[in-house]
Amino acid sequence: EAQVTQNPRYLITVTGKKLTVTCSQNMNHEYMSWYRQDPGLGLRQIYYSMNVEVTDKGDVPEGYKVSRKEKRNFPLILESPSPNQTSLYFCASSLGTSGRVEETQYFGPGTRLLVL
Amino acid sequence: QKEVEQDPGPLSVPEGAIVSLNCTYSNSAFQYFMWYRQYSRKGPELLMYTYSSGNKEDGRFTAQVDKSSKYISLFIRDSQPSDSATYLCAMTRGSTLGRLYFGRGTQLTVWP
Repeated sequence: EAQVTQNPRYLITVTGKKLTVTCSQNMNHEYMSWYRQDPGLGLRQIYYSMNVEVTDKGDVPEGYKVSRKEKRNFPLILESPSPNQTSLYFCASSLGTSGRVEETQYFGPGTRLLVL
Repeated sequence: QKEVEQDPGPLSVPEGAIVSLNCTYSNSAFQYFMWYRQYSRKGPELLMYTYSSGNKEDGRFTAQVDKSSKYISLFIRDSQPSDSATYLCAMTRGSTLGRLYFGRGTQLTVWP
């Protein structure tokens, strides 16, 4: 079954403790992206990747890192989490292999992060 | 000023009504415009996309783009309770997904 998986689904952590949220897709997609969603602010793009070893900043990259060493995985790293990074995080990959607009993004189930 | 503005609502309409959802934007370089639907506790899903100005129809849904006014709309005809969701507009400069700019989303409830 084609899917985007994220782990963990729920995470409570403390300020400053490094964490990684994993994202994996089994569809050989080239395009992958991370978003955060906050009440009143909607969906905001953090980072995206057009292919292996190619990543670029989205709207709100501060405080986050990503890597794309292999096509299927796109982890989101918070080196020193802060309370303002408490949010719902979505990973997504494009259904196509070229990341074109008409190739709909397939979103993962989301990761709820609480930073105390 | 945020690049994409969208009234968050909430919007509540009776079943069968015509719904109009709108976004405005400030960057004239945007060429591709998308509408996503997000059900509660789920990730967004692409409803429609359009390129540049004009209309596009898909069943009960019609997307309109007016680049001269920097204004896009999504119309839902004969709305159904199953249309109750949050609708997000998104746009990008080029033909690839790349960097996407989203509106805040409009929460829609269609009551029977």
